[in-house]
Amino acid sequence: EIVLTQSPGTLSLSPGERVILSCRASQTVTARSLAWYQQKPGQAPRLLMVGASRRATGIPDRFSGSGSGTDFTLSISRLEREDSAVYHCQQYGTTPSFGQGTRLEIK
Amino acid sequence: EVQLVESGGGLVQPGGSLRLSCVASGFPFTTYSLNWVRQAPGKGLEWISYISKSGDTIYYADSVKGRFTISRDNAKNSLSLQMNGLRDEDTAIYYCARDRTAVTSEYYFDYWGQGTLVTVSS
Repeated sequence: EIVLTQSPGTLSLSPGERVILSCRASQTVTARSLAWYQQKPGQAPRLLMVGASRRATGIPDRFSGSGSGTDFTLSISRLEREDSAVYHCQQYGTTPSFGQGTRLEIK
Repeated sequence: EVQLVESGGGLVQPGGSLRLSCVASGFPFTTYSLNWVRQAPGKGLEWISYISKSGDTIYYADSVKGRFTISRDNAKNSLSLQMNGLRDEDTAIYYCARDRTAVTSEYYFDYWGQGTLVTVSS
């Protein structure tokens, strides 16, 4: 099983700032098979990014993803209060597994 | 609009059973494979089961293998999860999620239901 470790665990930023979230895999994730999800309180996860860097339908270009091998990042620019959420990464090169999530608060 | 609506959650004693259901609408049900993914309180997401679009291929996470059974009824656009031998650690929100393997061979989850809470406690 591929274990994904996300960092930081929690962070608090201000509107307009930029953030980079990290997702590190215990083994190489083949073919950049990594997705990111956004989950707001009381809601289901929402797909943001697939293939490490392809935005899902309807996701604004403030969100961008990069990485390969074992290290992946999700960047969010021009932060808005509505970006407050938990962000999960998921690998799908093998049996799917998720990171523990990063909680982002926009004050 | 794609919709996945779960039901069937509740409070159950350890060792008990529960059956979850998920009704789908807004897309051709038989074109997509489906999954159950759970989230324990304050924890990350955990994939637990997959069923192919025809129902002939099924996978389980080790944590539920032998206790949970996934099935689907393509005539009713519904997905089910029969959970037996429930344990405290099965307490979680259970989500029904559609994946893209049957369309693009990529195993990520593009639509999720709102989830149903299962609490295992005496």
